[in-house]
Amino acid sequence: EDQVTQSPEALRLQEGESSSLNCSYTVSGLRGLFWYRQDPGKGPEFLFTLYSAGEEKEKERLKATLTKKESFLHITAPKPEDSATYLCAVQAWEYGNKLVFGAGTILRVKS
Amino acid sequence: GAVVSQHPSRVICKSGTSVKIECRSLDFQATTMFWYRQFPKKSLMLMATSNEGSKATYEQGVEKDKFLINHASLTLSTLTVTSAHPEDSSFYICSARPGLADQETQYFGPGTRLLVL
Repeated sequence: EDQVTQSPEALRLQEGESSSLNCSYTVSGLRGLFWYRQDPGKGPEFLFTLYSAGEEKEKERLKATLTKKESFLHITAPKPEDSATYLCAVQAWEYGNKLVFGAGTILRVKS
Repeated sequence: GAVVSQHPSRVICKSGTSVKIECRSLDFQATTMFWYRQFPKKSLMLMATSNEGSKATYEQGVEKDKFLINHASLTLSTLTVTSAHPEDSSFYICSARPGLADQETQYFGPGTRLLVL
């Protein structure tokens, strides 16, 4: 059973069309949940770290939220340059220092 | 802050040769560094975890003698792919985790594209 599941697999938006990406997890003893952005041929770029349910963080058009079972990455009024793969990863006590990644959501924003 | 570099960014080598990839944390000390492999259109697969001054911990199924990891200092880790074969061709990415101030977040390098002919 996958510990980290991201949905949708792919998302196409028009510029300015707000939406949310989902990351659900089944690990116990969450130490942290991480969002990264990855452009083709590049390494993941750090976006947010969330540690406890109810926590929210914002950066420009992005807002990440966390509950006990899932996290959402809200994208407000996206622009074409927001197009990328968004990766969610969790760190749990049962895995030590390791990050468990979801498969990612490929976001395409058209102008 | 929290910049991680990798060198080289791309490498092409002949089958049977060894290739060394460097991972450096440029503006922080990294007590722990990680090496990942990523296949096309797939997520990251952890290969090994390295702590400065100690032996790396390899994930199940990763050959220790094939992928040699050395974490020589708090800012440098190297991955050597020994006797490379075409099936080792992949995108290799390292990450580094700072100590005290930000315990959990891993910062990733830009990746190294390896092509074995």
